[in-house]
Amino acid sequence: AQRVTQPEKLLSVFKGAPVELKCNYSYSGSPELFWYVQYSRQRLQLLLRHISRESIKGFTADLNKGETSFHLKKPFAQEEDSAMYYCALSGRVGAGNMLTFGGGTRLMVKP
Amino acid sequence: KAGVTQTPRYLIKTRGQQVTLSCSPISGHRSVSWYQQTPGQGLQFLFEYFSETQRNKGNFPGRFSGRQFSNSRSEMNVSTLELGDSALYLCASSLGQVSTGELFFGEGSRLTVL
Repeated sequence: AQRVTQPEKLLSVFKGAPVELKCNYSYSGSPELFWYVQYSRQRLQLLLRHISRESIKGFTADLNKGETSFHLKKPFAQEEDSAMYYCALSGRVGAGNMLTFGGGTRLMVKP
Repeated sequence: KAGVTQTPRYLIKTRGQQVTLSCSPISGHRSVSWYQQTPGQGLQFLFEYFSETQRNKGNFPGRFSGRQFSNSRSEMNVSTLELGDSALYLCASSLGQVSTGELFFGEGSRLTVL
């Protein structure tokens, strides 16, 4: 069975501080991992995926298969980063869009 | 380009009734997925349709069903409603056959079961 765990329900930081949103997964095969974000009064949307190894809005995430983690990081948080963040796993590449989501972490960036 | 549209946005039903929710994907998208979101269980995958065929199914009872039409629009149905079915039901569409994990979500249909 596949499982995604986000241990922190709430993370509060000050503007300019580094941010790390934790995500751990459980999957026996080779997973694809994603971060989705939901800003206030907006729809859930894709932030980044591990396979593209890109930086979006200053966020990066590295897949660590040894630690089964996919933590989301940003060196300097901005107030507009305040949102709900979900880590998600797709265990069957190319076999359809079936994502397993973590419980989410609410990030609050204080001025 | 219009986003994913879900109707109705809000609805209230009583136990034992049934409900049908509708989703119109982004134009050109052929895959439609449904998720249930609750405070206790978070986002849980219900099913996915591609070209009118169910491609994946989550661990939900048979009371939850869906279908997709030739224009890619999708509906999901929940029969014999239970209190625990109260949730936000999210529809998401994506381009097509190969999974990229990039889903475009609608605003959801909030179902309250009394």
